[in-house]
Amino acid sequence: QKEVEQNSGPLSVPEGAIASLNCTYSDRGSQSFFWYRQYSGKSPELIMFIYSNGDKEDGRFTAQLNKASQYVSLLIRDSQPSDSATYLCAVKGGGGSYIPTFGRGTSLIVHP
Amino acid sequence: DTGVSQDPRHKITKRGQNVTFRCDPISEHNRLYWYRQTLGQGPEFLTYFQNEAQLEKSRLLSDRFSAERPKGSFSTLEIQRTEQGDSAMYLCALPDSPTDTQYFGPGTRLTVL
Repeated sequence: QKEVEQNSGPLSVPEGAIASLNCTYSDRGSQSFFWYRQYSGKSPELIMFIYSNGDKEDGRFTAQLNKASQYVSLLIRDSQPSDSATYLCAVKGGGGSYIPTFGRGTSLIVHP
Repeated sequence: DTGVSQDPRHKITKRGQNVTFRCDPISEHNRLYWYRQTLGQGPEFLTYFQNEAQLEKSRLLSDRFSAERPKGSFSTLEIQRTEQGDSAMYLCALPDSPTDTQYFGPGTRLTVL
């Protein structure tokens, strides 16, 4: 069974700090990796996706992928109180797989 | 706007009743997914359609659950003889090609009393 593991948190950081969110996955054949943000009572919304080893930056967000170690992380720079949400990691296998597996999410609290 | 609406947004029902949810893509999408999300968990895959064909079902989808997509556009998810354990958010999602990013609808929150 494909598993995606995230620390449920909460992760608490002060405003302006860097928040680091981590995710590990079990399926070594996984090809696509996604980070979603979910506010309480709302549906998940995409932050970014990454396919290749290394870093991918989009504004204040950086996704990091290490396939050898089977982990993917999300860094949020200059954290704002509006970043307080649950961050979901999702992983999709290769070989024509169309079904992503989601982690349980990490709750992030950014305090002023 | 993710291009998909869901109805109803909230549903409260008594145990043993049947409920039906609807998912409406605004534009044509070949594939359509259903997920269930309970408190403190990520979305769990239930089933997906390629046009009107239901191609895969999770083992979470017991025989009390049925999903249809009769014309390859909107989809319905029915739960028969609801149980308290069915209380959850039911999410419909459309994938983006070629990334397969899931774009979620607003969800239907089901509460079974």
